[in-house]
Amino acid sequence: SAVISQKPSRDICQRGTSLTIQCQVDSQVTMMFWYRQQPGQSLTLIATANQGSEATYESGFVIDKFPISRPNLTFSTLTVSNMSPEDSSIYLCSTRQGGGEKLFFGSGTQLSVL
Amino acid sequence: GENVEQHPSTLSVQEGDSAVIKCTYSDSASNYFPWYKQELGKGPQLIIDIRSNVGEKKDQRIAVTLNKTAKHFSLHITETQPEDSAVYFCAASGGYGGATNKLIFGTGTLLAVQP
Repeated sequence: SAVISQKPSRDICQRGTSLTIQCQVDSQVTMMFWYRQQPGQSLTLIATANQGSEATYESGFVIDKFPISRPNLTFSTLTVSNMSPEDSSIYLCSTRQGGGEKLFFGSGTQLSVL
Repeated sequence: GENVEQHPSTLSVQEGDSAVIKCTYSDSASNYFPWYKQELGKGPQLIIDIRSNVGEKKDQRIAVTLNKTAKHFSLHITETQPEDSAVYFCAASGGYGGATNKLIFGTGTLLAVQP
């Protein structure tokens, strides 16, 4: 399975600030996915990040709020901008490896916004 | 789009008993159905998956069954152990490649195995 490293593992932030979450994969992958998991809830796809192109955002998520970078085939960042308490969630990076369909997740970033 | 419903939301069993979690999906084109286990403070871990051309798959104490006609699939855990306690998520997707490769997740089941 893919080894996905995510940092920070947790952070407490003030409203109005921004946080950038980093995701590193141990091998080159085509697509990386960012999910949000609100407290006690399921996983919701925020966007799909392909190297060399703009990320594709799901309904309800916009680039101005969640800008994503994908500078190479092993790395991506998600920024949560102008944060409010409603952004308090776990943010998860994920990818498929080796052209297969199995989706693997990082350990997540627990974000609390005060 | 795809919608996945999962039941029950919480499940408590005695150690050694079996646990069954059920999911239904709405999109008949979905053909890949994984199950994830999420322990506190960790990311979801893939524990078993099944494709639509297979009706059942087993891996030691874990099995998944799929009924394509009824559009539902289930996770079966036998001889439960305290370390099985976690949140379990089902998911469905239209398969790898193109716009249909998104995984849609169920709402999760909190499984508590009582020693």
